[in-house]
Amino acid sequence: GENVEQHPSTLSVQEGDSAVIKCTYSDSASNYFPWYKQELGKRPQLIIDIRSNVGEKKDQRIAVTLNKTAKHFSLHITETQPEDSAVYFCAALGGDDYKLSFGAGTTVTVRA
Amino acid sequence: IAGITQAPTSQILAAGRRMTLRCTQDMRHNAMYWYRQDLGLGLRLIHYSNTAGTTGKGEVPDGYSVSRANTDDFPLTLASAVPSQTSVYFCASRGSSGGSGGYTFGSGTRLTVV
Repeated sequence: GENVEQHPSTLSVQEGDSAVIKCTYSDSASNYFPWYKQELGKRPQLIIDIRSNVGEKKDQRIAVTLNKTAKHFSLHITETQPEDSAVYFCAALGGDDYKLSFGAGTTVTVRA
Repeated sequence: IAGITQAPTSQILAAGRRMTLRCTQDMRHNAMYWYRQDLGLGLRLIHYSNTAGTTGKGEVPDGYSVSRANTDDFPLTLASAVPSQTSVYFCASRGSSGGSGGYTFGSGTRLTVV
């Protein structure tokens, strides 16, 4: 099955700086890569996603890039704000089944 | 009901007891999933169902069972709870068939087995 690795496990940034989280996946047939944000005690919420026919996608201060050849994808948050503090999960959807495999998560702390 | 609902919100359960976690969605989504979330391990798939009447095993299915009698409901049963099943359990659903479309998560059930 799909194996997703996520780095770093924790990330502390100064408010206004950028944050980058990187993920790799193992199944070359995977074709959908969502990112979820989970605030303390809450459910994971989809924040952005990218499909395998696109290399980059941006939504205001967040962007995701995908390198299919290298089998890795990244989340970029620019101009970080305190409300960006949360756990972020990457995920990959396998080509033949419809199950998401998640990375272990990155705890992002934005220092004021 | 709006979206996906889980019950109970939290539960303390004696080891050896049987417990069913409930999950109901009103979005007519075909696929439903159960994940457990443990610190440092992310979200791990327990069982899934791509459509009513079918179920499959995820990466950590032992000690759990599911059923999918209809589109809306996907209960998760612990036949005989053990302390290692202490976790936060999330139910999720996805509407798109094929390889696209994000999950909608329920609000979770925090289960403590003592």
